[in-house]
Amino acid sequence: AQSVSQHNHHVILSEAASLELGCNYSYGGTVNLFWYVQYPGQHLQLLLKYFSGDPLVKGIKGFEAEFIKSKFSFNLRKPSVQWSDTAEYFCAVKGGYQKVTFGTGTKLQVIP
Amino acid sequence: DTGVSQDPRHKITKRGQNVTFRCDPISEHNRLYWYRQTLGQGPEFLTYFQNEAQLEKSRLLSDRFSAERPKGSFSTLEIQRTEQGDSAMYLCASTGMGANVLTFGAGSRLTVL
Repeated sequence: AQSVSQHNHHVILSEAASLELGCNYSYGGTVNLFWYVQYPGQHLQLLLKYFSGDPLVKGIKGFEAEFIKSKFSFNLRKPSVQWSDTAEYFCAVKGGYQKVTFGTGTKLQVIP
Repeated sequence: DTGVSQDPRHKITKRGQNVTFRCDPISEHNRLYWYRQTLGQGPEFLTYFQNEAQLEKSRLLSDRFSAERPKGSFSTLEIQRTEQGDSAMYLCASTGMGANVLTFGAGSRLTVL
């Protein structure tokens, strides 16, 4: 069975600070990896995804994530956060014919 | 393309009552998923359909839960004899054949008193 672990439950940053949210997964084969975001009052939406190829993937709003196969990790990064990045972030994995499994989420609060 | 629609957005019910949620996926998407999300948790998989066939059900889905997708378009999720532990956000998502990116609806929030 596949699983996802997100290390930080709640992160508070000041505007312009750099962000890195940790995500580790467990699955023995080829995986698809995702970061979804849920802004306050809105539904879950895709931030970025990794299927294959370049392990550094770029998403919307300046976010990027790096797939490190040897570490089973897919950490999310942004060099300089904005107040509008306040949201909950979910890492997710899909291995083979499995369904998409989500982590428990990280709430990011950006202070102006 | 109006996205994934869910109805109702919020349902308050008394323990023991039955409730039904509806999901209308994106029209060309043949896969439809139901997830449940409680406070402080990520979405948990409940079940999914490919066209009208229900291909997988989670162990979380007790026999009080039933889902249908009769014509391969909209889907319903029914919870019979609701319990307070059923209080959660019920999320529907859809995706096209061969695609792995889920498009979510806004969810249906269930409160069981």
